[in-house]
Amino acid sequence: SQQGEEDPQALSIQEGENATMNCSYKTSINNLQWYRQNSGRGLVHLILIRSNEREKHSGRLRVTLDTSKKSSSLLITASRAADTASYFCATALTTDSWGKLQFGAGTQVVVTP
Amino acid sequence: KAGVTQTPRYLIKTRGQQVTLSCSPISGHRSVSWYQQTPGQGLQFLFEYFSETQRNKGNFPGRFSGRQFSNSRSEMNVSTLELGDSALYLCASSLGRTAGNTIYFGEGSWLTVV
Repeated sequence: SQQGEEDPQALSIQEGENATMNCSYKTSINNLQWYRQNSGRGLVHLILIRSNEREKHSGRLRVTLDTSKKSSSLLITASRAADTASYFCATALTTDSWGKLQFGAGTQVVVTP
Repeated sequence: KAGVTQTPRYLIKTRGQQVTLSCSPISGHRSVSWYQQTPGQGLQFLFEYFSETQRNKGNFPGRFSGRQFSNSRSEMNVSTLELGDSALYLCASSLGRTAGNTIYFGEGSWLTVV
């Protein structure tokens, strides 16, 4: 079963626009990580946010975490065609979850030049 | 620094055969985990190894097995292949010892069962 649910399932935007996707999860977490996957490729790590953090930035990426609502959001600013990919949130449930993540179904983002 | 390396990248097997996939983690990483990705089920955790010991196991039949060597390299094996085993198999590595480490993934091994 999947812990997280991404919303929306698909997103189509133009270059230069911002893209926002949300992730909701069901149980308490230790941390949440966001990944990008280009078609047929592996997962590229974007950001890790711990349960005691509320916001993190990395370049054009901004991640927020609201543990009271059990939700996270990923914002990509000034999107580029190269941002076209599927984006996944993944949660580590406990301190014992060293390499074990539970993934959502992902958001498919298409950025049109 | 090299990333997580998986071999082979693509393979085709026949029902009933077995397959072995290999994973070399990032240098210094001792935790290796495996995931299966299919269009229908998404990304699902298979198992995790640390210091040659299986720490966690997902909900997969016993046909799926793995092991880790003293150099942290890992292999997973699927025996008696079924059509439904066709998937992208992803290996991931991290430092281990805590849930707070970044987990890095390889490019995956595409398995097609015919």
